[in-house]
Amino acid sequence: NAGVTQTPKFRILKIGQSMTLQCTQDMNHNYMYWYRQDPGMGLKLIYYSVGAGITDKGEVPNGYNVSRSTTEDFPLRLELAAPSQTSVYFCASSYSGDEAFFGQGTRLTVV
Amino acid sequence: AQSVTQPDIHITVSEGASLELRCNYSYGATPYLFWYVQSPGQGLQLLLKYFSGDTLVQGIKGFEAEFKRSQSSFNLRKPSVHWSDAAEYFCAVFMNRDDKIIFGKGTRLHILP
Repeated sequence: NAGVTQTPKFRILKIGQSMTLQCTQDMNHNYMYWYRQDPGMGLKLIYYSVGAGITDKGEVPNGYNVSRSTTEDFPLRLELAAPSQTSVYFCASSYSGDEAFFGQGTRLTVV
Repeated sequence: AQSVTQPDIHITVSEGASLELRCNYSYGATPYLFWYVQSPGQGLQLLLKYFSGDTLVQGIKGFEAEFKRSQSSFNLRKPSVHWSDAAEYFCAVFMNRDDKIIFGKGTRLHILP
């Protein structure tokens, strides 16, 4: 029973590089979310999706992009990495407004 | 603006003592309410949730929370804490009209032996 799977677990990027954080869920959830977690700041919503083909901005979308071509996958794209994007990123999924299930996180460092 | 406030960044209690973690929200309607716990280096685990009905809800690990509409609060309580409860606790709300979940900044719980 995999739940929400995020890859990679760790990554170091150089300033200006790009990368995609992968997220997939096998629970047939319609809602998916991306958060970033910084010390003392809680979780900030980056983007979310209520179904395949539908995405919307959260609290801190600048510097990120997402797509939702299937129910299962919700990748997060960083185009021009900046030190301010050093963070721990969590993907989550839920059925409508119910409990969100979280992945184990991706720790990203931009140097 | 929509927001979730956890006024206590750190709380320290002795093992066996009671615990209350505070959470207030700002939203134009009654949201769905959640408490999550995060151990170091881990993802988040749901403790309990409130959608409607009885305003006192029971969760896992002996936790409970009470929804007070008049105070826009959803405080988490436990009668007697254990050393294993040391973690970070997050209050979250699902904003029904906007389809998004917003989190508070978290409260880190420390347990004294």
